[in-house]
Amino acid sequence: GAGVSQSPSNKVTEKGKDVELRCDPISGHTALYWYRQSLGQGLEFLIYFQGNSAPDKSGLPSDRFSAERTGGSVSTLTIQRTQQEDSAVYLCASSRTRGSNEQFFGPGTRLTVL
Amino acid sequence: AQTVTQSQPEMSVQEAETVTLSCTYDTSESDYYLFWYKQPPSRQMILVIRQEAYKQQNATENRFSVNFQKAAKSFSLKISDSQLGDAAMYFCAYRRSQGGSEKLVFGKGTKLTVNP
Repeated sequence: GAGVSQSPSNKVTEKGKDVELRCDPISGHTALYWYRQSLGQGLEFLIYFQGNSAPDKSGLPSDRFSAERTGGSVSTLTIQRTQQEDSAVYLCASSRTRGSNEQFFGPGTRLTVL
Repeated sequence: AQTVTQSQPEMSVQEAETVTLSCTYDTSESDYYLFWYKQPPSRQMILVIRQEAYKQQNATENRFSVNFQKAAKSFSLKISDSQLGDAAMYFCAYRRSQGGSEKLVFGKGTKLTVNP
């Protein structure tokens, strides 16, 4: 079956512009995660959605970052007024249920802020 | 807060040889999960192996095995009979077993080069 998909694959934007990154999880997966991978760094947790529960937003670095998940499926990560330090690869993952051991990752979106 | 440390930014191994990647972590919890993920240049994170902390037996998946030392909070990955396709970034990750967010906490990674 189809894996986690993300779009766009690459995004170049100018400082100060808003961007939206999209994640399509595996069908039927109730949990969805966003991570950020800066150059030479490991993955940094951003936000976690589980079913209809309130999301865990504890990893969002500033109020310029927000995310939503519509209908328990597709998720959009929005970065407002982008800064150069926002340049990174943004990875989305999904897992079947709460407590599931494996998170399946998408190919990521590489964001470059000029 | 939990932390994961990978002390080897880069490692290299000859094809068909064995290599061990190190990982240590810090947690006050007694039950948790540990993972090794592989990230090739395609950026796709692929689960290599996982270990449940309550299990004493070390996990094994074909050529990949771990040495889990719970008391020492150490979780190393051994790759046997290394192949060119094993070249990638390897990330060690921690996840609490229950309660709260199920986020993964990652180390900074080890870049593995496999020499022919």
